[in-house]
Amino acid sequence: DAKTTQPNSMESNEEEPVHLPCNHSTISGTDYIHWYRQLPSQGPEYVIHGLTSNVNNRMASLAIAEDRKSSTLILHRATLRDAAVYYCILIGGSNYKLTFGKGTLLTVNP
Amino acid sequence: KAGVTQTPRYLIKTRGQQVTLSCSPISGHRSVSWYQQTPGQGLQFLFEYFSETQRNKGNFPGRFSGRQFSNSRSEMNVSTLELGDSALYLCASSRDGSYEQYFGPGTRLTVT
Repeated sequence: DAKTTQPNSMESNEEEPVHLPCNHSTISGTDYIHWYRQLPSQGPEYVIHGLTSNVNNRMASLAIAEDRKSSTLILHRATLRDAAVYYCILIGGSNYKLTFGKGTLLTVNP
Repeated sequence: KAGVTQTPRYLIKTRGQQVTLSCSPISGHRSVSWYQQTPGQGLQFLFEYFSETQRNKGNFPGRFSGRQFSNSRSEMNVSTLELGDSALYLCASSRDGSYEQYFGPGTRLTVT
């Protein structure tokens, strides 16, 4: 499985944008970049995914580097409810299993 | 649309016993995956079922097994429980061909 590297933790202030980076230098051409997050005492929650182009949805934006070796999850205005562990995951082909790394613990300060 | 449901939410068992956990996927989702989450190992994939067949399997011993029924509901069983099996067991469902998975709240298993 292609690996991803994320910072262990990041901190943000409420209502400010947050950029969560992810490196995936061994990504293959068929791997999709997925982001999940896990709030305290809950199961993981799908956030967003993309292949090559930048993606937006109601929760976040995903910026994918041109060479696809890195990506950034963007929360446009962090709220206290965004405090969670964010996981960057590569999935492709017929392999539907999610391989979670350590993720990034995001702390949002009021 | 109802989300993924898991029962029971909490369970306490003793070493050597066996346990069965249940998962009901979102209506229309035919793929069900199971994960184990512990503080030390993080989230680890157990197995995935699709149309009553195991499609993917993680690196867990044979004491961990699962099955899926014709209505897509799934169960996982752990036999001969060990203290190290104490964990949060998560179930996730997805549509056929979609990588997007929807997780349930999990079953917290404590083995004493």
